[in-house]
Amino acid sequence: GDSVTQMEGPVTLSEEAFLTINCTYTATGYPSLFWYVQYPGEGLQLLLKATKADDKGSNKGFEATYRKETTSFHLEKGSVQVSDSAVYFCALRRYSGGGADGLTFGKGTHLIIQP
Amino acid sequence: ETGVTQSPTHLIKTRGQQVTLRCSSQSGHNTVSWYQQALGQGPQFIFQYYREEENGRGNFPPRFSGLQFPNYSSELNVNALELDDSALYLCASSLASKGRMGTEAFFGQGTRLTVV
Repeated sequence: GDSVTQMEGPVTLSEEAFLTINCTYTATGYPSLFWYVQYPGEGLQLLLKATKADDKGSNKGFEATYRKETTSFHLEKGSVQVSDSAVYFCALRRYSGGGADGLTFGKGTHLIIQP
Repeated sequence: ETGVTQSPTHLIKTRGQQVTLRCSSQSGHNTVSWYQQALGQGPQFIFQYYREEENGRGNFPPRFSGLQFPNYSSELNVNALELDDSALYLCASSLASKGRMGTEAFFGQGTRLTVV
C-alpha cells in the first residue's frame, strides 16, 4: 500500500538557520504531494502542494519539489523563525478510477526554533 | 466564507459506549473525509463521502461508520468504543469536480475523544 516516510524529530534549530525536512513516498500511479503544518491545539493547515513531477510548491518562504525519480518531496526554508515551530506532515493523495483516495500521511516532524 | 467546523471539541466516553462526531464542510465543498490522529502520530484515513455516498475507506472496522447529508455536512459514528479509540478526530472537506476529485483538503480543528 501507499506510505510516506519522514525524518524523525524533534528537529531543533536556531532562528535564521536553514531548514530541510526529508520526505519520501511509496505509491502507485502519480499521486499529488502535500505538506501540512499543525500548530499546538489546532487542526492541519495546508502549507504547499505539488501535483506532478518537477512541480515546485511554495508558500511563506517554504519550498518543496516533486522528485519522481527519487520519490521525494523534501521541505526547505532558507531562514526559519520562532513562529515556524510546529509539527509538519508530508502527505500524498492518489487518484484511481473511482476518484481521489484519502490522504496518506507521514508520522510528522516536530520542529522547534530557538531564538 | 466559513471554514470547516467540528463539534464537540472535546468528549469523554466510557468503553463500550457509542459516539457521534459532527462536521460542517467549508462552503461550496461536496466531499468530506475523516481521519483519526493518535497522540504523536500522523492522521490515518477512516473514510470519505462524496455526494452522500461513501467512496473510499481506510483500514478501520465496520463499527466506524458515517453519513453525509444533502448540505454536505457529515457525521462519524463509532460503536462499542475501545480504549484505543482515544484520539483526535479530524474532518476535512474538498471540492470534487466532474471527472476529477479536488486535490486540496481543508481541515477542521478536530474533536478530542477520550475513552475511559
